[in-house]
Order: sequence, then structure tokens, then C-alpha cells
Amino acid sequence: QKEVEQNSGPLSVPEGAIASLNCTYSDRGSQSFFWYRQYSGKSPELIMSIYSNGDKEDGRFTAQLNKASQYVSLLIRDSQPSDSATYLCAVNMGYSTLTFGKGTMLLVSP
Amino acid sequence: DTGVSQDPRHKITKRGQNVTFRCDPISEHNRLYWYRQTLGQGPEFLTYFQNEAQLEKSRLLSDRFSAERPKGSFSTLEIQRTEQGDSAMYLCASSLGWEQGANYGYTFGSGTRLTVV
Repeated sequence: QKEVEQNSGPLSVPEGAIASLNCTYSDRGSQSFFWYRQYSGKSPELIMSIYSNGDKEDGRFTAQLNKASQYVSLLIRDSQPSDSATYLCAVNMGYSTLTFGKGTMLLVSP
Repeated sequence: DTGVSQDPRHKITKRGQNVTFRCDPISEHNRLYWYRQTLGQGPEFLTYFQNEAQLEKSRLLSDRFSAERPKGSFSTLEIQRTEQGDSAMYLCASSLGWEQGANYGYTFGSGTRLTVV
């Protein structure tokens, strides 16, 4: 069964620190990778996508992909209390749909 | 508002009743997806449309669940004879299609929270 694995957390970091969120996936042929942020009681919001090995930066967010290790991560620099949410890793393991992990809860303390 | 719209936002129903949810995708998106999410879990795939064609349906999906997208625009998800285990957030998402070997991420609606009592 094709799976996406995330540590459920919570991951607790102080304000201003770097938060590192990790994700592994089972399908070596996966092509597209996404990070979603989900606040409690709300729907997921797309924050990053990455398709090629290496790093992709967007503001305070950096997505990292290593297809050989089947590993994708999200770094959040200068973490803010407003970043406190659940972060979902999603992987395209076939042509049509995304498979989501269970998410990692991030808590940023002031 | 050009986002994905879902209706209703909340639904409380008695066990055994039928419920129907509606989703209006972003107008230029030809793909529409239904997912279900329970507390502490990630979204679980239910079914997917490209235009009006239902191209994929989860093998885990009970026969009590049916979805339609009759004109390739809005979609409905119906659950017949609801059970307490159906209580969840039902998420609709839409996306552009495949291009240059990469798939676009989804845009989710606000979801419909179903409670079966």
C-alpha cells in the first residue's frame, strides 16, 4: 500500500527558531510533492510544492526533496506563533490524486 | 469569491438518514476531488472527476457513497443510510490538470462537517 509517513508531533519550537518538518513516502516513482498547512477546524491550505531534487525557497519556507531517500522536508525560518498549525505532506503517487500523511502539529511558543 | 465553495458547512443527521453535500470548484479547474478527514488523520481520498467523468473511486468507499458531476461544473456527494462512522469533515478540492509531467496542487473548500447522531 502506498503510504506517506509523518511524525504526528507536536513539534514545539520557540518563536524565532527554525522548525523542521519531515515526511517519507513509499512510492519511488512519485513525481510531485506538496506541503499544506491546516489550522484547527479549517481546511488545508497549500503553502509549498516541489518537483525536483534539492531545495525550493519561498519567503520563510524552504521545501527540500531527496527522491533517492524518498524524503521531503519543510523548514520554517523565524517561526511565529501564527505558524502553529498542523502541516500535511502530500505526494502524487500516480497520475491523478494526492496521498496525504497524517500531519505534524507544530506549536510555536512566544 | 473565486475559491472552492462547499455547502452546507455543517450537517447534523440521524443515523439511517441520507445526506447530500454540494461543491462548486474554481471555474477554470477541470479536476474535482472529494476527501474525508477525521480528527488526527490526514485527508483520505474518496473519489475524483475530470470534467463530468468520474475517473477514480477509493476501494475503501462503501456503496452507500455516490458522487456526481453532471455538467462538469459543481459536484454532489451523497451518503445513504448514514452511520456514526461517517461522521467526519468532507473536503472538496479542485485543480488544474497535468502539465509537463507535474501535477498541480489542490485548492480545498472550507469543508462540510458531518455529525451522525
